[in-house]
Amino acid sequence: ETGVTQSPTHLIKTRGQQVTLRCSSQSGHNTVSWYQQALGQGPQFIFQYYREEENGRGNFPPRFSGLQFPNYSSELNVNALELDDSALYLCASSWDRRQPQHFGDGTRLSIL
Amino acid sequence: DQQVKQNSPSLSVQEGRISILNCDYTNSMFDYFLWYKKYPAEGPTFLISISSIKDKNEDGRFTVFLNKSAKHLSLHIVPSQPGDSAVYFCAANVPGNTPLVFGKGTRLSVIA
Repeated sequence: ETGVTQSPTHLIKTRGQQVTLRCSSQSGHNTVSWYQQALGQGPQFIFQYYREEENGRGNFPPRFSGLQFPNYSSELNVNALELDDSALYLCASSWDRRQPQHFGDGTRLSIL
Repeated sequence: DQQVKQNSPSLSVQEGRISILNCDYTNSMFDYFLWYKKYPAEGPTFLISISSIKDKNEDGRFTVFLNKSAKHLSLHIVPSQPGDSAVYFCAANVPGNTPLVFGKGTRLSVIA
């Protein structure tokens, strides 16, 4: 069984640029959630997709957007990058809320 | 406003002794609680969960206790091993296909 995989593992961008992060869900999982983890903090919920539809959003501005594809893989897009966007971005998948979410190893995004 | 609080940023325990990690929450609608373990450069790994209809759940060396009246849960690790050294996150969610709300984490160091 393949777990959750994220790409790339590290990324360096400058302010104002745009970035796309990718996630492949664990096999059979139809729900994917994205989290931002700043240094010294717990993961903060960005948004969730269920069967290609956005199914909830945290307190993040509209420049954070996402997609889920028919194979349940997902993208996180961030426009107009700001210095505070520097963080670890985590993707998690599950097939039911009563089942634990399984996380990928994350993408470390650094904004210069 | 932090709905899930882990008030101890770090904890140091001798190998073979018990580790007790604590977590408090403020949202009385939370009905499902989880603990995740995180090693550096890896994503969070699910450890153990508990539903609000129970007050204890055990899995090998790991036991989670839930005190709903106090809005408090704890994770006990017995006996502690050096490989348990990691950051532990407490998380919770409300009914429905909802995202996890995380605490800031507690760094556990198990000393040989």
